[in-house]
Amino acid sequence: IAGITQAPTSQILAAGRRMTLRCTQDMRHNAMYWYRQDLGLGLRLIHYSNTAGTTGKGEVPDGYSVSRANTDDFPLTLASAVPSQTSVYFCASSVETNTGELFFGEGSRLTVL
Amino acid sequence: AQTVTQSQPEMSVQEAETVTLSCTYDTSESDYYLFWYKQPPSRQMILVIRQEAYKQQNATENRFSVNFQKAAKSFSLKISDSQLGDAAMYFCAYRRAQGGSEKLVFGKGTKLTVNP
Repeated sequence: IAGITQAPTSQILAAGRRMTLRCTQDMRHNAMYWYRQDLGLGLRLIHYSNTAGTTGKGEVPDGYSVSRANTDDFPLTLASAVPSQTSVYFCASSVETNTGELFFGEGSRLTVL
Repeated sequence: AQTVTQSQPEMSVQEAETVTLSCTYDTSESDYYLFWYKQPPSRQMILVIRQEAYKQQNATENRFSVNFQKAAKSFSLKISDSQLGDAAMYFCAYRRAQGGSEKLVFGKGTKLTVNP
């Protein structure tokens, strides 16, 4: 089934460690996004990419970095994790950046101790 | 900046009854898209319904319909004949239609409980 695959599904991480959340899509969508979901705050955009080779900052980019080497992959890296980065992270994609709906992965729950 | 407000953190409805979830948004744009997403306990984000701002007709998908009031910047979701499987978090979201704004802006969500 076509869609977005995120890994890992869940992870517990010590503060200060580096962590990369993986996201792969097989729909050949141009745009990809990373959101974090926190109770009472909804989903907030971390970073996005309109097309391979380009990235941009969202609402809460600090402490995170992304890369978009090809169309299918959009990894999110926490260089030095902190407890406030404990959250559920969603990767999403869309065909066109301004008109289409977003398709979401199943999320990655990250706990930073 | 665009904002989306869901004023009801929690709602409940009896099975087979109708419930309306509220959403308001703030924007200076005239062309945009509005969405309702459902997130059941499985955590999966599921698109329920989508509305294009240039369309006056309210979108409908089976038991789900919206009341889109562009002048009032209101976009409520009506669920008819509620089912136990409708229990979930519901998120209202906004997206510009033009000009390089690449993000979907979400409200904080409404938790819907369906009572048998």
